[in-house]
Amino acid sequence: DAGVTQSPTHLIKTRGQHVTLRCSPISGHKSVSWYQQVLGQGPQFIFQYYEKEERGRGNFPDRFSARQFPNYSSELNVNALLLGDSALYLCASSLEVGEQFFGPGTRLTVL
Amino acid sequence: GQQLNQSPQSMFIQEGEDVSMNCTSSSIFNTWLWYKQDPGEGPVLLIALYKAGELTSNGRLTAQFGITRKDSFLNISASIPSDVGIYFCASNTNAGKSTFGDGTTLTVKP
Repeated sequence: DAGVTQSPTHLIKTRGQHVTLRCSPISGHKSVSWYQQVLGQGPQFIFQYYEKEERGRGNFPDRFSARQFPNYSSELNVNALLLGDSALYLCASSLEVGEQFFGPGTRLTVL
Repeated sequence: GQQLNQSPQSMFIQEGEDVSMNCTSSSIFNTWLWYKQDPGEGPVLLIALYKAGELTSNGRLTAQFGITRKDSFLNISASIPSDVGIYFCASNTNAGKSTFGDGTTLTVKP
């Protein structure tokens, strides 16, 4: 069974640009969460989606948005990129509650 | 917001030694989770604790949920080179959000 997959693996953008990151959850999992991990720190919660609805939101600006599709895959969008948005973006899937399984992440570099 | 404080920040040990790391919070949590993250990968859950005082083992790993519900520790016995990585404590809120500490980086010298 495939684990959580994320694309792309690496991405380089310039300030002011927009980025879309994608995540496919484990088959059967209906919940997807997004985290930002800056070098040297633990993951910081951005969003959780369950059954296509936002269930939780972390302390991130409105430049960050996400959505979940009928097949439970998800996209994270970040507008007007700043240098400080450079990080590893992690997606995690789970059943409605319980253990989260993380993908390998997308490494975003903003120049 | 809620913060988890992990210590030590980093550890350098010899292969075969035992390791202990801990996590504290000013808030009460209902769950404590311990993850390991290898370079280039996402965190992998090692142990989950759901009850105050609970002591759980997973192979050479042992973790405990503190009685006050504000702390937890993780022990690794007889360390081996593949134990190298970053260990995170985390906790879940009812809103489905996980709060993570900043990790303990473990280096094991052969």
